[in-house]
Amino acid sequence: AQSVAQPEDQVNVAEGNPLTVKCTYSVSGNPYLFWYVQYPNRGLQFLLKYITGDNLVKGSYGFEAEFNKSQTSFHLKKPSALVSDSALYFCAVRDREVLSGGYNKLIFGAGTRLAVHP
Amino acid sequence: NAGVTQTPKFRILKIGQSMTLQCTQDMNHNYMYWYRQDPGMGLKLIYYSVGAGITDKGEVPNGYNVSRSTTEDFPLRLELAAPSQTSVYFCASSPDRLFQETQYFGPGTRLLVL
Repeated sequence: AQSVAQPEDQVNVAEGNPLTVKCTYSVSGNPYLFWYVQYPNRGLQFLLKYITGDNLVKGSYGFEAEFNKSQTSFHLKKPSALVSDSALYFCAVRDREVLSGGYNKLIFGAGTRLAVHP
Repeated sequence: NAGVTQTPKFRILKIGQSMTLQCTQDMNHNYMYWYRQDPGMGLKLIYYSVGAGITDKGEVPNGYNVSRSTTEDFPLRLELAAPSQTSVYFCASSPDRLFQETQYFGPGTRLLVL
């Protein structure tokens, strides 16, 4: 079965320092990987995706993610954290199984809470 | 554009009551989704729709029903509320199959079943 894991419940970073939010995946074949962010009392917002091509993917708000096939990882990174980056971050992978209507659903990780301190 | 809007923001239901969670999008997106988010868990897909008049089950459809009479609206119906349906419900939309994972989410409805 396809799955994603976010091994850290929370990540604490000082403002201005680099941040990394970890994600590992388990899928058969080539993965389609995604990062979403959820700010307090808001719905999720799409950040970036990896389908194919360069292993370093750039997304919104200065975030980037590195796809590593040998380590089956897709870690989210940012060179310099802001207090406003504090939020819940979800990694997701497209399921290989097709639902009855022809859709491949997203499988979400449990989320990692990022806290950036001034 | 308002994007994806959901009502109500919060609701308390008694066991056995029914209610409809409303979802509307003004982006002319064909694909729409309903998810539930339980504490410490990722989102789970309840139902989805690839266009007006077409709906399909996701991974946790039991206890729910949906309809899609227009492109804009995708209401979720709970017929006999149970405590296990206490959750935060998110509606989302995406333009088409090519960009189906670039989903736009509403602000959510927090439901408490007592």
